[in-house]
Amino acid sequence: QITLKESGPTLVKPTQTLTLTCAFSGFSLNTIGVGVGWVRQPPGKALEWLALIYYNDDERYNPSLRNRLAITKDTSRSQVVLTMTNVDPVDTATYFCTREPFCHGGSCPLDHWGQGTLVTVSS
Amino acid sequence: DIQMTQSPSTLSAFVGDRVTITCRASQSIDRWLAWYQQKPGGAPKLLVSKASTLETGVPSRFSGSGSGTEFTLTISSIQPDDFATYYCQHYEISSPIIFGGGTTVEI
Repeated sequence: QITLKESGPTLVKPTQTLTLTCAFSGFSLNTIGVGVGWVRQPPGKALEWLALIYYNDDERYNPSLRNRLAITKDTSRSQVVLTMTNVDPVDTATYFCTREPFCHGGSCPLDHWGQGTLVTVSS
Repeated sequence: DIQMTQSPSTLSAFVGDRVTITCRASQSIDRWLAWYQQKPGGAPKLLVSKASTLETGVPSRFSGSGSGTEFTLTISSIQPDDFATYYCQHYEISSPIIFGGGTTVEI
């Protein structure tokens, strides 16, 4: 059974750095083609993809947020960490951890999601 | 940059209705499109990949179609459990992942 679970602060002050951890089980980030990443959703708004990291350490980022994001992985601990610098109240959102599986012949959509964690940015 | 536009943003339906949601890409994306269902307070659930491939366990009343720039998600006879928000998503190797703005299907 594949599970992903997000953890991190629920409240962050503006200008601070947000660090979120995704702990996953039921698969390995050593598997060819697999990636783990993050998607966020401001209250009442649409989904926004943030970043992905793959089995081979390749990283992909949302271009509009690229200079504020960093994604890393600890394969031995089955964890992926996202850091977002210089947060602002507009970064208030539910942050979801997700998995991209391996697909023959091309890319794959995100097939498993964590329950999400709500992060509020406020002074 | 590719943009994904869904329509309508909200639609009302009765149980048993045929419901169609449209997703348009600002440029051709071949068939690199997925559909997700999200219920209030929950995580998105993958329904369709590669524009028309139904994921395992998804009821057959759901279907996806389209290619290039225009795609549709159809629910042939909507059931009470289907009232939710639906998102399209463009995904492709070496491209940013882009979600549509969502379509809320309500009673």
